[in-house]
Amino acid sequence: GQQLNQSPQSMFIQEGEDVSMNCTSSSIFNTWLWYKQDPGEGPVLLIALYKAGELTSNGRLTAQFGITRKDSFLNISASIPSDVGIYFCAGPGNSGGSNYKLTFGKGTLLTVNP
Amino acid sequence: NAGVTQTPKFRILKIGQSMTLQCTQDMNHNYMYWYRQDPGMGLKLIYYSVGAGITDKGEVPNGYNVSRSTTEDFPLRLELAAPSQTSVYFCASSRISEDQPQHFGDGTRLSIL
Repeated sequence: GQQLNQSPQSMFIQEGEDVSMNCTSSSIFNTWLWYKQDPGEGPVLLIALYKAGELTSNGRLTAQFGITRKDSFLNISASIPSDVGIYFCAGPGNSGGSNYKLTFGKGTLLTVNP
Repeated sequence: NAGVTQTPKFRILKIGQSMTLQCTQDMNHNYMYWYRQDPGMGLKLIYYSVGAGITDKGEVPNGYNVSRSTTEDFPLRLELAAPSQTSVYFCASSRISEDQPQHFGDGTRLSIL
């Protein structure tokens, strides 16, 4: 089945620093999604990418859909304490045409020290 | 906007007990999903549904059952609770198109003792 390798597993940074995390897949994806999960809540969609090479921003967040269609990265600029949480990459599975089933990475736990 | 609503938020069960985790969405989404989240393991798909009356197994369906009698509701049933089912359970929904992102509820934290 699909596998997503997300790195790093965790990050400890100082407020104001930039953050970069990435995700690689064992197979080609047609869509990449980045979610954030705050403590005690469900994941919330940050950015959706639908085209190879696409670069999309959402405030201080920027994500790119890799040209090979097997990777994606998420950057956060000028981090603030409320950026704390777990960040997940996700993409639709591709088993038997069931493209609406998502495969999730294991997440990157971000801690921001004020 | 309510979105995806899950109840209860917390529950403690004894081994062998049964319970139903409720999920309802008010976005008229056709697709609904149940995931479990274990520490450091991301989200694993338990069951999903592409519409009322249609359900299918995900990656980790053993020990669970689902039903989808309406578009809005997608309950998850544990018949004989086991300690391995201690987890956080998330329900999600999405529109009918393949590439539409999923919207998640806030989760149910379940402990089996």
